Amino acid sequence: QQQVKQSPQSLIVQKGGIPIINCAYENTAFDYFPWYQQFPGKGPALLIAIRPDVSEKKEGRFTISFNKSAKQFSLHIMDSQPGDSATYFCAASPSHFGNEKLTFGTGTRLTIIP
Amino acid sequence: KAGVTQTPRYLIKTRGQQVTLSCSPISGHRSVSWYQQTPGQGLQFLFEYFSETQRNKGNFPGRFSGRQFSNSRSEMNVSTLELGDSALYLCASSHITGTNPYEQYFGPGTRLTVT
Repeated sequence: QQQVKQSPQSLIVQKGGIPIINCAYENTAFDYFPWYQQFPGKGPALLIAIRPDVSEKKEGRFTISFNKSAKQFSLHIMDSQPGDSATYFCAASPSHFGNEKLTFGTGTRLTIIP
Repeated sequence: KAGVTQTPRYLIKTRGQQVTLSCSPISGHRSVSWYQQTPGQGLQFLFEYFSETQRNKGNFPGRFSGRQFSNSRSEMNVSTLELGDSALYLCASSHITGTNPYEQYFGPGTRLTVT
C-alpha cells in the first residue's frame, strides 16, 4: 500500500515536445506529491509539488496534473529543452506532523533530443 | 542560503568495516531525513530525525543507525558493511514549520562503495 508506481521507465522526446510522466499511488493517507529532478552525480532537486485540493499546478514550464479519484498524478514539461534531460522522480507522503517520509517512484530517464 | 552539505562525497570501504556519514542541513531546518539510492531498489527511506529524536524509520536492518545533534547536523552509521550497502546515501532537510513545511531539499549525497 506504500508504493508509488511511475511510468514510463524511459522517455525520448524531441526538443519543443511535451514529455508526460505518470504516477499512481494507493495509500489514501498521501496528501503531498512532489516531483524531483536528478542529474548524474547530483542529489534530487525539488521541482514542483501539489496537494490534493487542486487539480493542476504550474511553475514555469512544469505542470502537475492531479486526479484524486483515480489516485494518479502526472508531470508535463512544456517546450522541453536538451537541458531538461535528467531522471525525474515522483514522490508522495502524508503531510501531518511527524510522518513526512517520502515514498518515491522508480524514476523516469528523460532524454530531449535537439 | 547554503544548501544541504554532505561529507565525505565518496568513500570506499571493505566488507565488515563500519562507516559514518555526515549531513549539515539548510540553516533553520530542523528535520533531517536519510535515503539510500541504488539502481535496483531506487530511493528508499532510512530514517528521519527532528530535534535530536528519531521520528520515523524505514525497513532497514539495525546495522543502519543515525543521530542528530543540537545544531540539527546529523550523522548516519552503517556497521558491519556488506557488498549490498554500496549506494548513494542522500540526506534531505526540511523546515517542518513555516510556509512550506513538508518540502525536502536534498544534498549531493555520499557515494559509498563496499569492496
